Amino acid sequence: SYVLTQPPSVSVAPGQTARITCGGNNIGSKIVHWYQQKPGQAPVLVVYDDTDRPSGIPERFSGSNSGHTATLTISRVEAGDEADYYCQVWDSASDEVFGGGTKVTVL
Amino acid sequence: EVRLAQSGAEVKKAGESLKISCQGSGYRFTNYWIGWVRQMPGKGLEWVGFIYPGDFDTRYSPSFQGQVTVSVDKSITTAYMQWTSLKASDVGMYYCVRPSFYFDSSGSDVFYFETWGQGTLVTVSS
Repeated sequence: SYVLTQPPSVSVAPGQTARITCGGNNIGSKIVHWYQQKPGQAPVLVVYDDTDRPSGIPERFSGSNSGHTATLTISRVEAGDEADYYCQVWDSASDEVFGGGTKVTVL
Repeated sequence: EVRLAQSGAEVKKAGESLKISCQGSGYRFTNYWIGWVRQMPGKGLEWVGFIYPGDFDTRYSPSFQGQVTVSVDKSITTAYMQWTSLKASDVGMYYCVRPSFYFDSSGSDVFYFETWGQGTLVTVSS
């Protein structure tokens, strides 16, 4: 099955830029989506189709995907961005379509 | 507004059966896939299975195939997931999801999870 690898944690100061990576074999040939999950809440889609944002998601959230790494970038980080973030690709033959998740801590 | 309203938390014993539900509203129910994602305590997200109410086509994760059944009742725009014999390992938060679906340029399926329900917590005691 296709494996997605995320760092367990990323720390960032308010106002700085957070970059959350999602590694996978030739992931640049796949379509990647990203979710934000705050404690005690359901996940929320923040980026789909590598780079698109659903309505209501701030422009501070952006995505890129090339080679073996997809990246979710959060610019001008705010305290409210503290959450777990998951990448996702679709492979119906695989048990695992989500990365393991990255906990973003705002210092 | 698209909304997925899930049934309440369940506490069951191992070996018991269970059926949880998710009512969709705010969209044409038969035109979109609907299904389930699990999150075990303190862990990440796992896809379970989906169903297309228009023709009852179903997709299951290999890990959940044969372990659960996903179904729908179109007349009340409700999706279900059921177990015939719960195990302690079935514990977790189960989120109802409405995936978006299309075929990519190579003709492969693409699913992503645009809308989520509030979650149904399933607790199983042995």
